[in-house]
Amino acid sequence: AQKVTQAQTEISVVEKEDVTLDCVYETRDTTYYLFWYKQPPSGELVFLIRRNSFDEQNEISGRYSWNFQKSTSSFNFTITASQVVDSAVYFCALSYNTDKLIFGTGTRLQVFP
Amino acid sequence: SQTIHQWPATLVQPVGSPLSLECTVEGTSNPNLYWYRQAAGRGLQLLFYSVGIGQISSEVPQNLSASRPQDRQFILSSKKLLLSDSGFYLCAWSVRRTSRRGPDTQYFGPGTRLTVL
Repeated sequence: AQKVTQAQTEISVVEKEDVTLDCVYETRDTTYYLFWYKQPPSGELVFLIRRNSFDEQNEISGRYSWNFQKSTSSFNFTITASQVVDSAVYFCALSYNTDKLIFGTGTRLQVFP
Repeated sequence: SQTIHQWPATLVQPVGSPLSLECTVEGTSNPNLYWYRQAAGRGLQLLFYSVGIGQISSEVPQNLSASRPQDRQFILSSKKLLLSDSGFYLCAWSVRRTSRRGPDTQYFGPGTRLTVL
């Protein structure tokens, strides 16, 4: 079965702290795609990253970085030097040989000044 | 650039009333279109997706239906709303795959917050 688990329901940090959001997935397919989305209080989902199963290189984009490890079926997301504007719900999602996304239940991140 | 619109932004409806939510995409042709529902404090559930005009796939049996009367228009409807239909409804689009490459990224609209009383 295809499944995405985000075990952290809510995380609170103080501004400038680093924070890692965990994502563990299950799939039998050898080809699959992983995504992260951000949902700010306004509600709209904002696309952050798409990664295929053949590309295990970690990626960095500004203060954001992603650690993809097939050995542990994890695709974790780290925010360095968090800011209040990072406060949002973050979703990890999985897609295999279809156009459908399987979402995790999300992690609510609160960054306090 | 592509943009996706949803309306209304918020809606309060009584139980048993009909529903029509609209989603339109601009700046692209032949997109895949999707309807998701997000119940309060929960993840996203795919309700319907469409790969073309009149082509609708339903993911979850319920009292909702979807239609795609035009290439870039996707409508979510109900004849009689239930309390359990309350939630945040998101429309999304992606580029339609023309080869065996992987799924394209889905881009989401601003959503419609529906409260059924």
